Amino acid sequence: NAGVTQTPKFRILKIGQSMTLQCAQDMNHNYMYWYRQDPGMGLKLIYYSVGAGITDKGEVPNGYNVSRSTTEDFPLRLELAAPSQTSVYFCASRDRARGDQPQHFGDGTRLSIL
Amino acid sequence: QKEVEQDPGPLSVPEGAIVSLNCTYSNSAFQYFMWYRQYSRKGPELLMYTYSSGNKEDGRFTAQVDKSSKYISLFIRDSQPSDSATYLCATLSSGNTGKLIFGQGTTLQVKP
Repeated sequence: NAGVTQTPKFRILKIGQSMTLQCAQDMNHNYMYWYRQDPGMGLKLIYYSVGAGITDKGEVPNGYNVSRSTTEDFPLRLELAAPSQTSVYFCASRDRARGDQPQHFGDGTRLSIL
Repeated sequence: QKEVEQDPGPLSVPEGAIVSLNCTYSNSAFQYFMWYRQYSRKGPELLMYTYSSGNKEDGRFTAQVDKSSKYISLFIRDSQPSDSATYLCATLSSGNTGKLIFGQGTTLQVKP
């Protein structure tokens, strides 16, 4: 039972490079989310999706893009990497928007931009 | 003002101690409140949730919400070294998006 799978686990980028963080879930969840976590700052929502073909901005979307062509996959794109994007990125999914339903998280991608 | 505020700690206690973790929130419309636990180099996982005011108990863990003061608490009794983790409070945002608003997280270390 894989749950939410994120790849890669670690990555070092140079300033100005681009990359895609992959996220896949095998629970047939409609709702998916991307967060970034910086030390002492909690989780900040970058983008979210309520179903295939539907995405919307979260709290900190600048410098990122997403797409949701299938229910399973929700990739996050960094177009021009900047040092401020050094962070740990978490993808999450949930079955319904109800408060008694948990969000299931992947184990994160640790990204350093130098 | 942040919508959910949490003292980031760190908090260090001896094994067997009672631990109290706290958050405050700003919007009285929030109804669902959660505690997520995050071990080092792992993603958060749901520990407990409560709806509206009141207490909820699960083993050594008790979650408490006081809506009159907009205060959320998590109590851990007989704390164990395995409880060492970061604890994040969260609330469900309004609307039908399932978005969560997280506090900053409190890092807890339980020493044997």
